[in-house]
Amino acid sequence: EAEVAQSPRYKITEKSQAVAFWCDPISGHATLYWYRQILGQGPELLVQFQDESVVDDSQLPKDRFSAERLKGVDSTLKIQPAELGDSAMYLCASSHRLAEGDEQYFGPGTRLTVT
Amino acid sequence: GQQVMQIPQYQHVQEGEDFTTYCNSSTTLSNIQWYKQRPGGHPVFLIQLVKSGEVKKQKRLTFQFGEAKKNSSLHITATQTTDVGTYFCAGRRYSTLTFGKGTMLLVSP
Repeated sequence: EAEVAQSPRYKITEKSQAVAFWCDPISGHATLYWYRQILGQGPELLVQFQDESVVDDSQLPKDRFSAERLKGVDSTLKIQPAELGDSAMYLCASSHRLAEGDEQYFGPGTRLTVT
Repeated sequence: GQQVMQIPQYQHVQEGEDFTTYCNSSTTLSNIQWYKQRPGGHPVFLIQLVKSGEVKKQKRLTFQFGEAKKNSSLHITATQTTDVGTYFCAGRRYSTLTFGKGTMLLVSP
């Protein structure tokens, strides 16, 4: 069964450093999402791509976060500089297309700890 | 902005007891999805409800979508230890899917 791949699974970094996460969606999925999940909370959407275009990045802290999906396949989420409050699970999800009702398939996530 | 609230935050039941979690949206939704996240895992899609008043069943799980399309519920009959996890509803309005904070279910044998 196809899965969403993410790396690294765990990342520890010091505040003010740069950090990057990678996501490879299920083959053929046009829509890709990056979520942040704080312990005890639901996933919070950071950015949503349709192919290589950003559809929604209204909740992305653009002063320090950036995301790209250059060829419309895999994607990278970057934080620079990292802050203590960025410690969380970063989840990537994909779906077939940007349409109401498409189920999202989540990857295993990257657990970020900022010290 | 759109808000999706879930209650209770946490429930601990004995195996065999029933469990219900409720989801309420501040706005009318086009559909609602339910996900389950096991401890240490990632959210896994369970089901989607689209129509007003819709009821769907998956074995021991019953999902309902309210008539006004602003609330939903998930009911588990005769819980099992394998039901342990956090259940999230996610309400969709236009292209945006907003997750609730989830209900954590613990089941004691």
